[in-house]
Formats: sequence, C-alpha cells, structure tokens
Amino acid sequence: DARVTQTPRDKVTEMGQEVTMRCQPILGHNTVFWYRQTMMQGLELLAYFRNRAPLDDSGMPKDRFSAEMPDATLATLKIQPSEPRDSAVYFCASGEGLRTDTQYFGPGTRLTVL
Amino acid sequence: KQEVTQIPAALSVPEGENLVLNCSFTDSAIYNLQWFRQDPGKGLTSLLLIQSSQREQTSGRLNASLDKSSGRSTLYIAASQPGDSATYLCAVAESSGNEKLTFGTGTRLTIIP
Repeated sequence: DARVTQTPRDKVTEMGQEVTMRCQPILGHNTVFWYRQTMMQGLELLAYFRNRAPLDDSGMPKDRFSAEMPDATLATLKIQPSEPRDSAVYFCASGEGLRTDTQYFGPGTRLTVL
Repeated sequence: KQEVTQIPAALSVPEGENLVLNCSFTDSAIYNLQWFRQDPGKGLTSLLLIQSSQREQTSGRLNASLDKSSGRSTLYIAASQPGDSATYLCAVAESSGNEKLTFGTGTRLTIIP
C-alpha cells in the first residue's frame, strides 16, 4: 500500500530555531506539493514541484521558508528562523502529474513554535 | 482569485439519514473539482473527482454533482453511518494549466448513533 510519509509527525520548537520537515512521495510520482493548514486560513498551497523542479512557490514566505527536492524520493521544507505564526500542520502530497488524477496526502507534521 | 466556500461549517445528523454538503466557487473556469475527507489528526483522502465536462460522479453511498456555470457542487451521502464523521473539503483545480488546488474551509460532519 503506497503512501506518502512525513517526518517528524510532531515538532515543538522555540522561536528563532531552524525547522526541517521531510516528505517521501509515493514511488513513481513526479509532482510534490507542500500545504499548510491552520484554523484561520484553512489549507494553503506553499510550493509545488514537478520532476524535482520548483514550479510555483508563490504561497511561501521567501525570507524564511525554503523548499527543495534533493532527489526523487525526498522533499524538504525548511523554516529559518521560525516564528510563532508558523505554527500549523504542514502536509506533503504527491501525484502522478496527470491533471485528471488526484493528489495523495501524507499524515502531516504538526509544528508548534513557542 | 478563486475563492471556495463551504456551508455549513458544521453539521450533525442522526445515523441513517441522507445528507447534502455544499461547495461554491467564484471562478467557473475550473479544470476539475474534488471532494476530500479529513479525519482528526490525519491527512486528506480523495473521495471523488469530477472533471469539468462531467455532471456527477458516484462511489458507493457517495454522489458528487457539479454545476460549473453556477459555481456549485454538492456531495450527497446516503444512509449516513457514524464512520462518516469527518471533515469534508472540496477543492478546485483551475483551467490555467497547472495542478494547483484551491480548497474550501470544510464542513465538519458528525453522525449521531
């Protein structure tokens, strides 16, 4: 049963610290998406990749957030420095790159910045 | 900018009843619309995907309809069960050529045994 995996599942950190979240997309999927979910804003797209190349990161605060795909099996989202307003659940999703198909979501990383 | 609205934000119904969840979107130039389910502390699971050329999709007790011209979709759940309790989100993909999804804020559904 192929699934998107994310680590860590929970992260508590102090303001100013660097946070790295990792995602392993489903093998063979060539699109990867990072979303952030908060009570106030709901689900927002931060960035997305096709074949490891960033296609759209317009939803991401550029000064502190960065997203990369070092290889086809790993996507990372970094926040440096972290702020309390970054507290949210961060989801990774992957897809086959077919617009007729859905995206498959990971379980999320719950981030709390104190 | 596309905006997706789901009303009501929360809904409670007795087990066994049929129910309808609503989704509306402001820009009718969509490529497809999806309904997702989210359980507490979990990720999203896709339930149904309707292409812009389609009017409805069915899976088991679920039926989703799409009226693109009026900017509306409904998710019909027949013979509701306690296991249907979850948050349901709709999302639209725009026709602009990318795969970005714009999500609604969801309807939290509780089925009362």
